[in-house]
Amino acid sequence: DAKTTQPPSMDCAEGRAANLPCNHSTISGNEYVYWYRQIHSQGPQYIIHGLKNNETNEMASLIITEDRKSSTLILPHATLRDTAVYYCIVGGNQGGKLIFGQGTELSVKP
Amino acid sequence: DAGVIQSPRHEVTEMGQEVTLRCKPISGHNSLFWYRQTMMRGLELLIYFNNNVPIDDSGMPEDRFSAKMPNASFSTLKIQPSEPRDSAVYFCASRRAAGSSYNSPLHFGNGTRLTVT
Repeated sequence: DAKTTQPPSMDCAEGRAANLPCNHSTISGNEYVYWYRQIHSQGPQYIIHGLKNNETNEMASLIITEDRKSSTLILPHATLRDTAVYYCIVGGNQGGKLIFGQGTELSVKP
Repeated sequence: DAGVIQSPRHEVTEMGQEVTLRCKPISGHNSLFWYRQTMMRGLELLIYFNNNVPIDDSGMPEDRFSAKMPNASFSTLKIQPSEPRDSAVYFCASRRAAGSSYNSPLHFGNGTRLTVT
């Protein structure tokens, strides 16, 4: 499984965009990029995923570089409730196993 | 959609006792995962099933741990005998796996917090 690298922590001002980076330089051709978040020991919550193209849904946007070696999750207008640990994961082959790393702890401040 | 349902939410037991954690996946999902989360080790994949068949149990820490999926709507994770170092939050997750890409996202339950004294 491809490994991911994320900064351990980030701060963001409330109302501003939060841009969370992820490096996945060993990603293979059929592996997807998934983003999850976990708020205070609740179960991880799915945010968005993509293969090659940029994706957007009601929660966030996912920007994947052309070489697919990195991606950025964008929360367009961060709120205090977006404070959480954000996990970037790659997978999709090998029967769909998804391995979580340490994630980025995002703190949204007023 | 009731989501992934785990029971119990909290379990406190004494060392040496048997513990059984239960999971009901989302209806129609045919892939089920068990994870364990601790402060020290983060979220660890223990085992996962596709179509009720265990595919990869390489994350199961030792023989004291066993998991079963007797049908598409139920799975158990059993620890016998339990030890204090098994204290953690155990999450179950399910997804609908179709075709060769298995790209649908995982949906997680709210977890079982296990404390072994």
